[in-house]
Amino acid sequence: NAGVTQTPKFRVLKTGQSMTLLCAQDMNHEYMYWYRQDPGMGLRLIHYSVGEGTTAKGEVPDGYNVSRLKKQNFLLGLESAAPSQTSVYFCASSYRGDTEAFFGQGTRLTVV
Amino acid sequence: GQSLEQPSEVTAVEGAIVQINCTYQTSGFYGLSWYQQHDGGAPTFLSYNALDGLEETGRFSSFLSRSDSYGYLLLQELQMKDSASYFCAVNQAGTALIFGKGTTLSVSS
Repeated sequence: NAGVTQTPKFRVLKTGQSMTLLCAQDMNHEYMYWYRQDPGMGLRLIHYSVGEGTTAKGEVPDGYNVSRLKKQNFLLGLESAAPSQTSVYFCASSYRGDTEAFFGQGTRLTVV
Repeated sequence: GQSLEQPSEVTAVEGAIVQINCTYQTSGFYGLSWYQQHDGGAPTFLSYNALDGLEETGRFSSFLSRSDSYGYLLLQELQMKDSASYFCAVNQAGTALIFGKGTTLSVSS
């Protein structure tokens, strides 16, 4: 059982480039989340989804877009990367909003 | 809006007991969770409180007071491996999971 898998694990982008981070879960979870983690800032919610075809904004959504075309996948897109988006990105999923969330191993993104 | 406050750092020695407090302000509160994270790895779930009172899981316990918008994580018989970051998180309106900034626990021998 793979749980939550994030692709890629590391990436370096140049300012202005675009990229998509993929999150896949094999637990048939309804809820999926994208967070960014910066030193001293904890985990900040970017976007989340409560089911296939739904997305909602979190605490820090600007500069990011998401899609949940399939229940098992949650994609995070950066259309024009900025150095301020250098961070570690974590994806998580849960059966419901009030149940245990399972996290992926993270994607370390550097924008130069 | 929502906010969670927890201490940034806590230190303790092996075998001791430590309490990490969390106060929160949020609309549509459903429950309070606690997560552990080692060295920037994937956070892992520790506990969830939806009702007032104490929940015990082995050496870890978690408490919630909804009327005080307050909870805490209690770690007993501390071990070196408990050195990690601990996050409280609120489940908002049954959907979004919002985290605090985390508390770094350092356990020394």
